Amino acid sequence: GAVVSQHPSRVICKSGTSVKIECRSLDFQATTMFWYRQFPKKSLMLMATSNEGSKATYEQGVEKDKFLINHASLTLSTLTVTSAHPEDSSFYICSAPGTVSFTQYFGPGTRLTVL
Amino acid sequence: QKEVEQDPGPLSVPEGAIVSLNCTYSNSAFQYFMWYRQYSRKGPELLMYTYSSGNKEDGRFTAQVDKSSKYISLFIRDSQPSDSATYLCAIPYSNDYKLSFGAGTTVTVRA
Repeated sequence: GAVVSQHPSRVICKSGTSVKIECRSLDFQATTMFWYRQFPKKSLMLMATSNEGSKATYEQGVEKDKFLINHASLTLSTLTVTSAHPEDSSFYICSAPGTVSFTQYFGPGTRLTVL
Repeated sequence: QKEVEQDPGPLSVPEGAIVSLNCTYSNSAFQYFMWYRQYSRKGPELLMYTYSSGNKEDGRFTAQVDKSSKYISLFIRDSQPSDSATYLCAIPYSNDYKLSFGAGTTVTVRA
């Protein structure tokens, strides 16, 4: 099946710094990718839809200036958490639409810890 | 009202038991229904996918959809310790592939 990768898998940073997370579709092109956030023992919360060649669309309540999304090519989307704070610590997962109607292929996730 | 409701469990069963998981949803217009499996600290992976009502079987896994009751189920037969994971139901709610997820049920199969 299609593979979506994320890098890094784990990152620890100091409060106030910015962190960039990469999401790549390895063997297919994705004009759309999704970014989710997941808290421990909780479900996935959609943060934004990343669109190649245009601005990302954010879900209600998600700060656009806090979570910068760039879809630079058909295989790469990046999420930058700016001026990270401890409350931004979470598991961030990206996905891309699958070949079967409405399914998604998910990346392995990135665990962000802000000290 | 959340669009997809799922009992978060946790659920613990002995090896070989049948695991029964379910979700309810609110929008009768939903047509596609999915189950994802998520191992600890990993991304979800698609397990089962069904369209409209009925049953679908894949090995030890069976997905059921009852649209009249707005109820979807996943059954795991002859459960194995390797089935220990969180199972999330998911339903697309828009034409642009956005998914509404249930809370996820954490299952532990004891050897």
